[in-house]
Amino acid sequence: EAGVVQSPRYKIIEKKQPVAFWCNPISGHNTLYWYLQNLGQGPELLIRYENEEAVDDSQLPKDRFSAERLKGVDSTLKIQPAELGDSAVYLCASSQAANTEAFFGQGTRLTVV
Amino acid sequence: GENVEQHPSTLSVQEGDSAVIKCTYSDSASNYFPWYKQELGKRPQLIIDIRSNVGEKKDQRIAVTLNKTAKHFSLHITETQPEDSAVYFCAASEVGNYKLTFGKGTLLTVNP
Repeated sequence: EAGVVQSPRYKIIEKKQPVAFWCNPISGHNTLYWYLQNLGQGPELLIRYENEEAVDDSQLPKDRFSAERLKGVDSTLKIQPAELGDSAVYLCASSQAANTEAFFGQGTRLTVV
Repeated sequence: GENVEQHPSTLSVQEGDSAVIKCTYSDSASNYFPWYKQELGKRPQLIIDIRSNVGEKKDQRIAVTLNKTAKHFSLHITETQPEDSAVYFCAASEVGNYKLTFGKGTLLTVNP
């Protein structure tokens, strides 16, 4: 079974530039999460999808962050414009249903310079 | 919202010894408590989880205990091996919105 696939693995951009991350969840998983992980910290939820509906985006900084999950499968997370403080690892995870095991992707390490 | 406290932040043990990591949570409505292991530069991977209707769960060398009254749960690793060295995260999930809140992690080092 293929796991959660994220791309790119690494991204370096200058501040004020836009950036986008892509996630392909495990086939059949209805629930998709985007997490932010700072160095030495646990993952923090940005947004959770149930199929194509964003059911929890309370932690997403909506002034610069946006996400979509068209057709309830792949998802993209965008930052525009990026700030220095956005440097972190962005993790995507999926699960068959909420409150069941979440499988994580390898993450995208973003460096804003 | 939920708040998860995890300690210790670092733990060093000798190979073969046991390791215990403890977490407390604030929301008494939480009912799902997974533990994740994250090796350097890799993705977090679930190693064990427990639900609120169970007090203890064991899987080979790892076990998790849950005390709902005190709102704390613990990870126990016995007969530690160097490959157990990693960062371990506990988490708690709120009933209703299923938001998984993570602790800050414990860096476990198993010395040969």
